[in-house]
Amino acid sequence: ETGVTQTPRHLVMGMTNKKSLKCEQHLGHNAMYWYKQSAKKPLELMFVYNFKEQTENNSVPSRFSPECPNSSHLFLHLHTLQPEDSALYLCASSQGGRVHNNSPLHFGNGTRLTVT
Amino acid sequence: AQKVTQAQTEISVVEKEDVTLDCVYETRDTTYYLFWYKQPPSGELVFLIRRNSFDEQNEISGRYSWNFQKSTSSFNFTITASQVVDSAVYFCALARAGNNRKLIWGLGTSLAVNP
Repeated sequence: ETGVTQTPRHLVMGMTNKKSLKCEQHLGHNAMYWYKQSAKKPLELMFVYNFKEQTENNSVPSRFSPECPNSSHLFLHLHTLQPEDSALYLCASSQGGRVHNNSPLHFGNGTRLTVT
Repeated sequence: AQKVTQAQTEISVVEKEDVTLDCVYETRDTTYYLFWYKQPPSGELVFLIRRNSFDEQNEISGRYSWNFQKSTSSFNFTITASQVVDSAVYFCALARAGNNRKLIWGLGTSLAVNP
């Protein structure tokens, strides 16, 4: 069983809907990430939180809004998405702090998002 | 610029065959890290190995082995006596050392091991 849990596993939403993706980790990590995985493209880093502080926003459109209330939980709020936003959204966690900048990532199973 | 190339898009083998997945990287950094991850059909990427640029020793873990060659900027992954459960997409990734949590990912190699 993965130490990183994502819900829902699948989500279909219209372009005018508002929805949220949830991620929870039970590994005691302090860094959390959102990645987007699309076919035939490298994994795209979207956001990074380190000790609840956002340290990376990789030029992500404002229709994606992350929230990290504590080191164990991460949300991705979605609104007015476009069909090209359909993808697998992966959450990951790792050890936090500068010393562990390159520590391995632990991923969740992802949320398969379809925007109609 | 940093880049990771996994030239093999798809590989299909028969069970018990050995298979090597290629990874070639580009970086101007002298200190960096290389990773391999496995993504089975269930979706989550599973960490397999991390290697830093100063450690060129090859590594073996059960049926898995990794060959790191700085001279050719390659970090290849070999599965010996492949099994059906090895079927997955395998990703190679590169990270800069220091204050950076970004990984540069390859496009992945989809491995199908057939019975």
